[in-house]
Amino acid sequence: GENVEQHPSTLSVQEGDSAVIKCTYSDSASNYFPWYKQELGKRPQLIIDIRSNVGEKKDQRIAVTLNKTAKHFSLHITETQPEDSAVYFCAATSNDYKLSFGAGTTVTVRA
Amino acid sequence: IAGITQAPTSQILAAGRRMTLRCTQDMRHNAMYWYRQDLGLGLRLIHYSNTAGTTGKGEVPDGYSVSRANTDDFPLTLASAVPSQTSVYFCASQKDGGANYGYTFGSGTRLTVV
Repeated sequence: GENVEQHPSTLSVQEGDSAVIKCTYSDSASNYFPWYKQELGKRPQLIIDIRSNVGEKKDQRIAVTLNKTAKHFSLHITETQPEDSAVYFCAATSNDYKLSFGAGTTVTVRA
Repeated sequence: IAGITQAPTSQILAAGRRMTLRCTQDMRHNAMYWYRQDLGLGLRLIHYSNTAGTTGKGEVPDGYSVSRANTDDFPLTLASAVPSQTSVYFCASQKDGGANYGYTFGSGTRLTVV
């Protein structure tokens, strides 16, 4: 099955700086890569996703990049704000359409 | 009901007891999933259902069972709870289990087995 590794496990950034979270996956057939944000005590919510036929996707302050050759994808948050503090999960799905999740990154934005 | 609902919100359960976690969605999504969330391990798939009447095993199915009698409901049963099943359980749904769409998650059930 798919194995997704996520780094770093924790990330502390100054407000206004950028945050980058990286994930690698094992199955070269994987073709869908969503990112979820989970605030404390809340449910995970989809914030952005990318498919294997696209190299980069942006939505306001967040962007995701995909390198299929190296089998890694990254989440970039620019101009971080306190409300960006949360746990972020990457995920990947292969031909069985089931999502495999990374272990999560706890992001803390310092005011 | 708007979206996907889980019940109960939290539960303390004696080891050896039977427990059913409820999950209901009103979005007419075909696929539904149960994940458990543990610190440092992320979200791990327990069981899934691509459509009503079918179920399948995920990464960590032992000690759990599911049923999918209709499109809306996907209950998760612990036949005889053990402390290692202490976790936060999330139900999720997806428009079509045979294609790649984002999941919609329920609000979770925090289960403590003592």
